[in-house]
Amino acid sequence: GENVEQHPSTLSVQEGDSAVIKCTYSDSASNYFPWYKQELGKGPQLIIDIRSNVGEKKDQRIAVTLNKTAKHFSLHITETQPEDSAVYFCAASKRGGNDMRFGAGTRLTVKP
Amino acid sequence: DAGVIQSPRHEVTEMGQEVTLRCKPISGHDYLFWYRQTMMRGLELLIYFNNNVPIDDSGMPEDRFSAKMPNASFSTLKIQPSEPRDSAVYFCASSLWSGAYEQYFGPGTRLTVT
Repeated sequence: GENVEQHPSTLSVQEGDSAVIKCTYSDSASNYFPWYKQELGKGPQLIIDIRSNVGEKKDQRIAVTLNKTAKHFSLHITETQPEDSAVYFCAASKRGGNDMRFGAGTRLTVKP
Repeated sequence: DAGVIQSPRHEVTEMGQEVTLRCKPISGHDYLFWYRQTMMRGLELLIYFNNNVPIDDSGMPEDRFSAKMPNASFSTLKIQPSEPRDSAVYFCASSLWSGAYEQYFGPGTRLTVT
């Protein structure tokens, strides 16, 4: 089955700096790669996603890149703010999100 | 919309007791998912429904777990009998098949089995 690995497990940056989180997946049939943000005591919330027919997608300060050949994808957050502090999860799916396998999560701390 | 609603938010029970977790999906959504989150295993899909019909329950850990969706606005996840290793946060999520795959998660139920 699909195996998703996520790095780093913790990341601390200064406000205004950029943050990068990386994920690899094992199943070449996976074609949907979402990123979820989870704040303390809440459920995960989708922040951005990308499909296999696209190499990069950007939404304001957030961007995701996908390398299908290498089977890895990354989340980039620029101009980080303290409210970006949360746990971020990547996931991979081959059935329209109905079979998502999640990475272990990255705890991002943005220091003011 | 109020979003996905889960109840209770916290549940503490003794080993061997039956536990029922409840979920109300977003109105109009035709997919409903149950997930479990633990430190050891992360976020795992347990089962999902489409139009109230269970489609894939391969993630259900064992026969002690069962899930139902009697109508489009309600689903339950039952554990009988409960064990300490079932302690986790259980999330319900729903989505609308519209070409977008976004799942909307509820706030979760934190289950502690002593």
